[in-house]
Amino acid sequence: GAVVSQHPSWVICKSGTSVKIECRSLDFQATTMFWYRQFPKQSLMLMATSNEGSKATYEQGVEKDKFLINHASLTLSTLTVTSAHPEDSSFYICSAREGLAGEIAKNIQYFGAGTRLSVL
Amino acid sequence: RKEVEQDPGPFNVPEGATVAFNCTYSNSASQSFFWYRQDCRKEPKLLMSVYSSGNEDGRFTAQLNRASQYISLLIRDSKLSDSATYLCVVNDYKLSFGAGTTVTVRA
Repeated sequence: GAVVSQHPSWVICKSGTSVKIECRSLDFQATTMFWYRQFPKQSLMLMATSNEGSKATYEQGVEKDKFLINHASLTLSTLTVTSAHPEDSSFYICSAREGLAGEIAKNIQYFGAGTRLSVL
Repeated sequence: RKEVEQDPGPFNVPEGATVAFNCTYSNSASQSFFWYRQDCRKEPKLLMSVYSSGNEDGRFTAQLNRASQYISLLIRDSKLSDSATYLCVVNDYKLSFGAGTTVTVRA
């Protein structure tokens, strides 16, 4: 299957700092990338949908000024958690959907390995 | 009501056993479903798509019951490596994930 690289895999930071997470599709072009958050023993919650060259679409309840998303190319999307606080500690996972029409219809998404964020 | 609900388990089964579990979904118009597998502290990985007629992939069988709005996953001849959390996913333009069903296969 397609490969999605997510970096860093683990971040520990002080409260008030900003953290940037990168998501790259390595062997395909991803017109759409997704950012999820998962708290322990809970389901993945979609935070936002990122389309290359346009503004991200945020889910209800997700602050766009808090979670900045940039999708500057067909292979890279970044999520920046601004002024992180302990309640932002979570597992953040990106996914990418290939641009082929058949894949879009199937909505098959390939996931990065996730970033575990711990805010002290 | 949650969009996707799963029995969290855990289901503890011996090697070689058969284990099955369901997932219910709230949107009667949903057409497309997946089962994903997630190992502890790892990303979800696609296990199989769920087709309306039911489908098999080796030891794994997925079934869809539209009338009762549930999908099921059955694992035959369980292996130790099947120990994981299984996520039910409804594909309605965006993916909606259940919280997962934990399966532990013991030797």
